[in-house]
Amino acid sequence: DIQLTQSPSFLSASVGDRVTVTCRASQGISRYLAWYRQKPGKAPELLISAASTLQSGVPSRFSGSGSGTEFTLTISSLQPEDFVTYYCQQLNSYPITFGQGTRLEIK
Amino acid sequence: QVQLQESGPGLVQPSQTVSLTCSVSGDSISSDNYYWSWIRQPAGKALEWIGRIDTSGSTNYNPSLNSRLTISLDTSKRQFSLKLSSVTAADTAVYYCARGSGGSYFFHWGQGTLVTVSS
Repeated sequence: DIQLTQSPSFLSASVGDRVTVTCRASQGISRYLAWYRQKPGKAPELLISAASTLQSGVPSRFSGSGSGTEFTLTISSLQPEDFVTYYCQQLNSYPITFGQGTRLEIK
Repeated sequence: QVQLQESGPGLVQPSQTVSLTCSVSGDSISSDNYYWSWIRQPAGKALEWIGRIDTSGSTNYNPSLNSRLTISLDTSKRQFSLKLSSVTAADTAVYYCARGSGGSYFFHWGQGTLVTVSS
């Protein structure tokens, strides 16, 4: 199985801050990586596919980059609704796997 | 807009089989472009992909669950289902159904259903 390790697991920041979350894969996955946002008690929401393709309706403050084994999700200016949990997901090979999550908290 | 809705028992006894169904509305369940997946999430923990089925009936399962898992598709009812046998407390989780496309990017999810394994 391909392991995905997100860092940090917890991130404390303020509204307006720029933050970056990293996702490292245990082996190369080209650009077969997605990012999801999950609000408490809700299903995840797809933000970014193919490492950097922003989904329709997702604010432009979100961006993704990377290929191979290292990927990043950047939020350029945190808004109050962004203080939730983020997951990366690889679909390069089965089984599909997710990172352990990064929880953004208000400082 | 496609909508997915999970249904099933909220409480299952240990060693029993849990059966969940995902009802699909708003779009065809028979399109070759999509895959139908189950994903679960124990309370406070990360997401775990369970398995998927395509419209030809071909399946891929998580090896960690493979021996206990069956996913099936009923296009006439616009539903797909999960059966997980010999459940233990470790199977307690919110179970989501999801539609994957472009590979397995999960654009659409159900709201999730909590399954608790307890006597």
